[in-house]
Amino acid sequence: GNSVTQMEGPVTLSEEAFLTINCTYTATGYPSLFWYVQYPGEGLQLLLKATKADDKGSNKGFEATYRKETTSFHLEKGSVQVSDSAVYFCALRGDNTDKLIFGTGTRLQVFP
Amino acid sequence: ETGVTQSPTHLIKTRGQQVTLRCSSQSGHNTVSWYQQALGQGPQFIFQYYREEENGRGNFPPRFSGLQFPNYSSELNVNALELDDSALYLCASSLGSEAFFGQGTRLTVV
Repeated sequence: GNSVTQMEGPVTLSEEAFLTINCTYTATGYPSLFWYVQYPGEGLQLLLKATKADDKGSNKGFEATYRKETTSFHLEKGSVQVSDSAVYFCALRGDNTDKLIFGTGTRLQVFP
Repeated sequence: ETGVTQSPTHLIKTRGQQVTLRCSSQSGHNTVSWYQQALGQGPQFIFQYYREEENGRGNFPPRFSGLQFPNYSSELNVNALELDDSALYLCASSLGSEAFFGQGTRLTVV
């Protein structure tokens, strides 16, 4: 079945450092891929998405490229801020379904 | 602010009791999904409703049930609560490709 694997955290960075959070997936067909962010005590917010191979999703300085050849959707940001501290979830949605399958989440901690 | 509201925000129940969680969808969204997020885990799909009919179910027992109303608001009911049901329950509404999540209901079963 479909699944998502993302790197375990926590990821601890200093402000202005470069961020990469790895995400790989297993799916049949042509899934859509998402990154969601969850701030402490809150629900999920969509950060970015990509719906087909080679698409790049971007938002608030974050980027991720849908790589079908490596089945990956790694999240990157060139310069993180303290306010980026949160848990990041990679997710996919398979063909003909609205069901989202999530990874286990990666906690990012950014220190001044 | 996603326009999806859930109530209550926190709830404590005793093992064996029943609970009802509520979700008000974003205006015009005819699809609602429910997810369970255990501590330190990613959300797990419980089920989805489309125009008042169940339209997909995850690996959850029948004591998890739901309803969707004509105004597209929704309820999640859990009977015979178990300690492992303690989690954050998230509702998501959608119209097309993007799902918008509420802030969740934190359920604690003691």
